Amino acid sequence: SQQGEEDPQALSIQEGENATMNCSYKTSINNLQWYRQNSGRGLVHLILIRSNEREKHSGRLRVTLDTSKKSSSLLITASRAADTASYFCATEGSYIPTFGRGTSLIVHP
Amino acid sequence: EPEVTQTPSHQVTQMGQEVILRCVPISNHLYFYWYRQILGQKVEFLVSFYNNEISEKSEIFDDQFSVERPDGSNFTLKIRSTKLEDSAMYFCASKEDSPEAFFGQGTRLTVV
Repeated sequence: SQQGEEDPQALSIQEGENATMNCSYKTSINNLQWYRQNSGRGLVHLILIRSNEREKHSGRLRVTLDTSKKSSSLLITASRAADTASYFCATEGSYIPTFGRGTSLIVHP
Repeated sequence: EPEVTQTPSHQVTQMGQEVILRCVPISNHLYFYWYRQILGQKVEFLVSFYNNEISEKSEIFDDQFSVERPDGSNFTLKIRSTKLEDSAMYFCASKEDSPEAFFGQGTRLTVV
């Protein structure tokens, strides 16, 4: 299965702290993406990292990819209460994004 | 900014009834998807649609489910005879020939 699995399942931090979420996957990939889902809403694409990239930044987001370990991490720096959401990694096989169970992040003001 | 729109936002239906969930994907997109998310659980792939036909479907997508793109803009998911366990959020997504998928806000289906 191409499906990624996120870790931890839940993360609770204070505003201003950094949040790190991890994703592991099983098969080789062309790219890996991170999405965010606010409660009861659709998924929003955050960032994509290609298999030949090791690190990518977008604003307060930093994504790393280690293809030898088949893992990725998403770091949110200087978190805000508005970052409270579920975060999913997605791998893609046959043009189908496939999601794990997600990490539920709560940022306390 | 173009977006995927889904209607209705919430649908309540009696067990055994047919429901049709509607989606308008982004107009120049090529790939279309339905996913579902049972409350508190992961986002599960149901079906993908490309070139006017189903390209792949999961084991969840049994004979009770069907999809249509009747007029080149709408993309519908029909559940023929709903069961209690069909209660979930259903998300439509579309994308171009690139990895990023765009999701609608979902339809919350409640089967009573």
